[in-house]
Amino acid sequence: QSVLTQPPSVSAAPRQRVTISCSGSSSNIGNNAVTWYQQLPGKAPKLLIYFDDLLPSGVSDRFSGSKSGTSASLAISGLQSVDEAVYYCAAWDDSLEGVAFGGGTKLTVL
Amino acid sequence: QITLKESGPTLVKPTQTLTLTCTFSGLPPTTETGAMGVAWIRQPPGKALEWLAIIYWDDDKRYRPSLKSRLSITRDTSKSQVVLTMTNMDPVDTATYYCAHSPEGDFYDSSVYMSWGQGTLVTVSS
Repeated sequence: QSVLTQPPSVSAAPRQRVTISCSGSSSNIGNNAVTWYQQLPGKAPKLLIYFDDLLPSGVSDRFSGSKSGTSASLAISGLQSVDEAVYYCAAWDDSLEGVAFGGGTKLTVL
Repeated sequence: QITLKESGPTLVKPTQTLTLTCTFSGLPPTTETGAMGVAWIRQPPGKALEWLAIIYWDDDKRYRPSLKSRLSITRDTSKSQVVLTMTNMDPVDTATYYCAHSPEGDFYDSSVYMSWGQGTLVTVSS
């Protein structure tokens, strides 16, 4: 049971927009920044979004992040087949004094 | 360019101690605040990421509470390595183990991992 809750899967057609939610609590998302990772099959995770909504250099601006209260969202616009991956949210948890990861959301591009 | 690479046994027996080494390059030996760190994160086959531990450049350490009694993380500056030991291994500890770099800066915290190793699969079986 992950501390951060994500939907197991989402799907959308190419060129559409999809959002992935991440629900937490006051000890994690509510009080700390949210980070998002993309994991392609058989690969190490890749940093996608940090500090709730900042993009690292080299990440497409089709990806965006947002946060409200104890929930966060990752949005992907202009979906492409290369976006098929598992997406994880993460945040520092003050109660755990460690990093909490979500359970991951598998994105399927129809 | 920052690179990290994990090394260690691919197979351990139940009750044995696992020692994994993360050899890195491109990280400075010291930083202004000591807030940079290297963490270990694992992923059981087909399952989610699970954060294990982090060591900061000021030698502060944090562990996953449920595994704290079994984990130890250390840093060898001279060898550019971070070592994770996990005692009393069990088949449920079978996973790909990653080391990852957490940078220092105003917009970074310990959930931000800019660079990752390729991961090493550790199987626990008799």
